[in-house]
Amino acid sequence: EPEVTQTPSHQVTQMGQEVILRCVPISNHLYFYWYRQILGQKVEFLVSFYNNEISEKSEIFDDQFSVERPDGSNFTLKIRSTKLEDSAMYFCASNLATDTQYFGPGTRLTVL
Amino acid sequence: EDQVTQSPEALRLQEGESSSLNCSYTVSGLRGLFWYRQDPGKGPEFLFTLYSAGEEKEKERLKATLTKKESFLHITAPKPEDSATYLCAVQARNTDKLIFGTGTRLQVFP
Repeated sequence: EPEVTQTPSHQVTQMGQEVILRCVPISNHLYFYWYRQILGQKVEFLVSFYNNEISEKSEIFDDQFSVERPDGSNFTLKIRSTKLEDSAMYFCASNLATDTQYFGPGTRLTVL
Repeated sequence: EDQVTQSPEALRLQEGESSSLNCSYTVSGLRGLFWYRQDPGKGPEFLFTLYSAGEEKEKERLKATLTKKESFLHITAPKPEDSATYLCAVQARNTDKLIFGTGTRLQVFP
C-alpha cells in the first residue's frame, strides 16, 4: 500500500541554523501539507501546497518557513533560522483531491 | 472560530470492555470529519471520514458516527492492540486544513 515517507526521522540542530525536512508524498497525489505537533499538544496546520504554489498557510508559517517541490517526487519544508520553539514533530501529508489526508511518520526536530 | 474538543482526555479499559470516545466540534460549514489513530512517536493513521449527519462507518471493532454537533468513536470489545491516541479533526468548507482536537489516549489492559 502506498505511503508517505519522511526523512530524516530525527534532526538535531543548533538554534539559528537552517534545516530542511523532506517528504515523499504518495505518487499520484496532488495536494501536499505540512503540520507540526509540539510535544503534548495538538497537531497544527502549517501550510498546504497545490500546483506548485502555496494554497493556504497558518499564522505559524511566517517568513522563516518555506516549502518547495524541487522535483516530481519530493516536497520539502525549510526553516531558515531555527528557534527553540520550533522543536516539534513535523508531519507531511498528501491527498489526491481535497479529501482524506494521509500522513507520514514524521520528523522529530530538536533545536538546542 | 472553528474548534474541536475531545473527551475524555484519557480512558483505561479492560480488554472486552466497550466504550465510546466523543468529539464535539464547531465549524463554519462542515466539509468532513476525520478520525485518526496515533501511536507514540508516529504519524496519524487514517481511520474514517464522515461527511454528513447520520452517517456511520465501521471497521473491525471501531464504529464512527456523526451528528450536527459531535462525533462518536465506539470501540466494541477492545483488545490491547487498540491502545493508542485517537484524534478527531474537522475540515471546513473553502479550506484544505484540518483542525485537530487534543485526542483521547486509550489504554486497553488484558
